[in-house]
Amino acid sequence: SQQGEEDPQALSIQEGENATMNCSYKTSINNLQWYRQNSGRGLVHLILIRSNEREKHSGRLRVTLDTSKKSSSLLITASRAADTASYFCATVLQSNSGYALNFGKGTSLLVTP
Amino acid sequence: NAGVTQTPKFRVLKTGQSMTLLCAQDMNHEYMYWYRQDPGMGLRLIHYSVGEGTTAKGEVPDGYNVSRLKKQNFLLGLESAAPSQTSVYFCASSSSGNQPQHFGDGTRLSIL
Repeated sequence: SQQGEEDPQALSIQEGENATMNCSYKTSINNLQWYRQNSGRGLVHLILIRSNEREKHSGRLRVTLDTSKKSSSLLITASRAADTASYFCATVLQSNSGYALNFGKGTSLLVTP
Repeated sequence: NAGVTQTPKFRVLKTGQSMTLLCAQDMNHEYMYWYRQDPGMGLRLIHYSVGEGTTAKGEVPDGYNVSRLKKQNFLLGLESAAPSQTSVYFCASSSSGNQPQHFGDGTRLSIL
């Protein structure tokens, strides 16, 4: 079952603009991960943010986590055409039997020159 | 490093045929996973393994079997293919259950 849900489903912006994607989830998490998927390729891990962290940066990417609202956001600054891809959040839940990672359905980002 | 390699990349089957998808990883990861990705459904976990010789069911295991005889390989089998199994199949691996997963580029499977 999908625990994380991304919003919006699709986003179209111009090069140079910022892109913000949101992820909401339902239960307490161990960590939350963001992935990118280019057309016809597998998912590529971008950033992992732990439940006790509020913000992480990696290059032009900024991820925030608000555990009180059960939500996360991925910000891509100064977007480029090469950022065109689908972006997925994945929540990691911990139980007695181990960890479970659940992917959302993704946000499709189109960056036009 | 090749990372995660899936073979074949494409395959067309007839209903009732069987086949095996192969996944190989060279990162010495303990955990391996098989997902299917369908339009509008996101990624759904079929089976996974937490180490050599172990397998466990995921969200949608029916119609599939898996084996992990060697740490670096994870095989997904379809014993009697059905049109509902038309999908893109992804294999992934990770060092532990809460760490990032590394994905292969998928196998596109069509069942007629």
